[in-house]
Amino acid sequence: EAQVTQNPRYLITVTGKKLTVTCSQNMNHEYMSWYRQDPGLGLRQIYYSMNVEVTDKGDVPEGYKVSRKEKRNFPLILESPSPNQTSLYFCASSLWGGGTTNQPQHFGDGTRLSIL
Amino acid sequence: AQKITQTQPGMFVQEKEAVTLDCTYDTSDQSYGLFWYKQPSSGEMIFLIYQGSYDEQNATEGRYSLNFQKARKSANLVISASQLGDSAMYFCAMRETDAGGTSYGKLTFGQGTILTVHP
Repeated sequence: EAQVTQNPRYLITVTGKKLTVTCSQNMNHEYMSWYRQDPGLGLRQIYYSMNVEVTDKGDVPEGYKVSRKEKRNFPLILESPSPNQTSLYFCASSLWGGGTTNQPQHFGDGTRLSIL
Repeated sequence: AQKITQTQPGMFVQEKEAVTLDCTYDTSDQSYGLFWYKQPSSGEMIFLIYQGSYDEQNATEGRYSLNFQKARKSANLVISASQLGDSAMYFCAMRETDAGGTSYGKLTFGQGTILTVHP
C-alpha cells in the first residue's frame, strides 16, 4: 500500500530533550516536506526537500533540522525542543516538485508533539 | 501578507444541498497550482482537487468542483449534494516557485474552513 509513515504518532517530552520524528514514504517520491498545524493558522511549511541531499527552508524553519540522506526518509529533528513547538506535525511527499505544480501531496497521519 | 485567505471559519449546510467554500490567494508567479484538502476529525489530510494557473477549464472531481477566477485570484471549492461525511475542515493551498524561481517546492495553506453538514 502506498503510504507516508510517521513515527511516533504521539509524544510528550520535556524542554531541551532532543527528539526526532521519522518520516518514510514507499512511493519513490522525489519531493518531501514537513508541516506544522496550529489552530487558526492552518498548516505551515517547515522544510522541504526536492531530492536526496537537497533541502530548503519553508516558512517556519527556526528550531528544526532535517536531512535527506535517502530518497524514502526525511526525518525532522528538534535539537532543543521548546513549548512553542507543541503542535501537530505532518510529513508529506509528492512525485516531484521541480518544474511542475500539479503533483498533490500525500500526507502521513500526523504526529502530535507536546513539549512541557 | 497572507498568501492564502479563507474568510469563512465555519460553514453550515443542509444535507443534499450545495456549498461553496471561499479561497483567495496572492502571488506574483504566472505559473502556480491550487489545491483543496479535506481533514476529517480523525486528522488525516485528503487531497480533493487541483487547478493549474494555466488551466482554462475549471477542475472537477466527482461532487467537487473548483470555481477558478484568475483575475480575481480566487479558487472557491464547490461541493454539490452535500453528505454527512463531508463534515470536516477544508484547506485551500497554493504551490508556487521558490525564491530562485526554479522549482515548486513551497506550499502555502490557508487557515481552513470547518464545514458542518446537517441532516
